Amino acid sequence: EAQVTQNPRYLITVTGKKLTVTCSQNMNHEYMSWYRQDPGLGLRQIYYSMNVEVTDKGDVPEGYKVSRKEKRNFPLILESPSPNQTSLYFCASSHTRQGDYEQYFGPGTRLTVT
Amino acid sequence: SQQGEEDPQALSIQEGENATMNCSYKTSINNLQWYRQNSGRGLVHLILIRSNEREKHSGRLRVTLDTSKKSSSLLITASRAADTASYFCATDLNTGGFKTIFGAGTRLFVKA
Repeated sequence: EAQVTQNPRYLITVTGKKLTVTCSQNMNHEYMSWYRQDPGLGLRQIYYSMNVEVTDKGDVPEGYKVSRKEKRNFPLILESPSPNQTSLYFCASSHTRQGDYEQYFGPGTRLTVT
Repeated sequence: SQQGEEDPQALSIQEGENATMNCSYKTSINNLQWYRQNSGRGLVHLILIRSNEREKHSGRLRVTLDTSKKSSSLLITASRAADTASYFCATDLNTGGFKTIFGAGTRLFVKA
């Protein structure tokens, strides 16, 4: 089954404790992206990757890191989480960003930083 | 910064009625997409319209794009209770990269 998986689905952590949210897709997609969703603000793009070893900042990259060492994986790293990073995070992937494409989303990771 | 802005923020209709949601954006785009989200779950792609297209259909969905007004509309015909969800527009900016901007969404409630 074609899917984007994220782990963990729920995470409660404390300020300053480094964490990684994993994202994996099984569709051989080139493009992957991370978003955060906050009430009243819709989704905001954190980082995106056009392909292996190619990443770029989205709208709200501060406080986050990403890496794309393999095509299927795109982990999101919070080196020193703060309470304002409490949010619902989504990973997404698509084959391309040219022409007609469909972006597939993971189920989300709900992160609480205390 | 918010690129896509949906209107209305919330919409409540009876089953069988049509639902129309609007999206406005600020800068030049490659395309505009509409997504549906059920209560805190992942988003589901509904339809993509390219910047050189004016109208597109998919089942009960009709999307229009007016690049001169920087706006788009999503029409859901003959709505069903299962259409109850939040709907988001998203734009891929025409900046050489592939940054995507989402709007804040329209919450649609369809009463059975």
